[in-house]
Amino acid sequence: KNEVEQSPQNLTAQEEEFITINCSYSVGISALHWLQQHPGGGIVSLFMLSSGKKKHGRLIATINIQEKHSSLHITASHPRDSAVYICAVSGSNYQLIWGAGTKLIIKP
Amino acid sequence: DAGVIQSPRHEVTEMGQEVTLRCKPISGHDYLFWYRQTMMRGLELLIYFNNNVPIDDSGMPEDRFSAKMPNASFSTLKIQPSEPRDSAVYFCASSLFREETQYFGPGTRLLVL
Repeated sequence: KNEVEQSPQNLTAQEEEFITINCSYSVGISALHWLQQHPGGGIVSLFMLSSGKKKHGRLIATINIQEKHSSLHITASHPRDSAVYICAVSGSNYQLIWGAGTKLIIKP
Repeated sequence: DAGVIQSPRHEVTEMGQEVTLRCKPISGHDYLFWYRQTMMRGLELLIYFNNNVPIDDSGMPEDRFSAKMPNASFSTLKIQPSEPRDSAVYFCASSLFREETQYFGPGTRLLVL
């Protein structure tokens, strides 16, 4: 079993739909990161979380430390949100463990 | 700030040649990370520096790989000799603190023939 599991692996939705991507982990962590990688390959760090919730524009990230689970939400999705979303966790020794990514396609 | 700058953006070389990838982190960031991304293995952390000092290089695949950070504004990742299995996208990222948001460069696409 992978230490960081993301679901779903692939997600196709219509524009304006509310999107949720989930991340579960099995190790103790000091922080969890959500990153976005566009088809061109560039990686953008979206959030770094250690507790609670963060919001940036239409993106919301939550984390539940007790349940070892995080979610990334996109409200009013748009085709330009199409990308691979990656969850990564860092432990006390800063070994970064990456999820496999969720490929999101938003259709107009 | 211009963000993290990497060069070259693309590199095609022949097996056995030396490859040098360059990175300029965001000014003021104390941490610099080198990652490699392949279809098979996803994103892998190769090495990271704090204040120009290598802290963890356990992700460096083998002795053919070496990384340096001679000053706060410049780092190199060198592969010598290169092999076809080194073909990947190499990302550099920097952050203010170790657990702070990392800012990624555009990546260097390396193809070793």
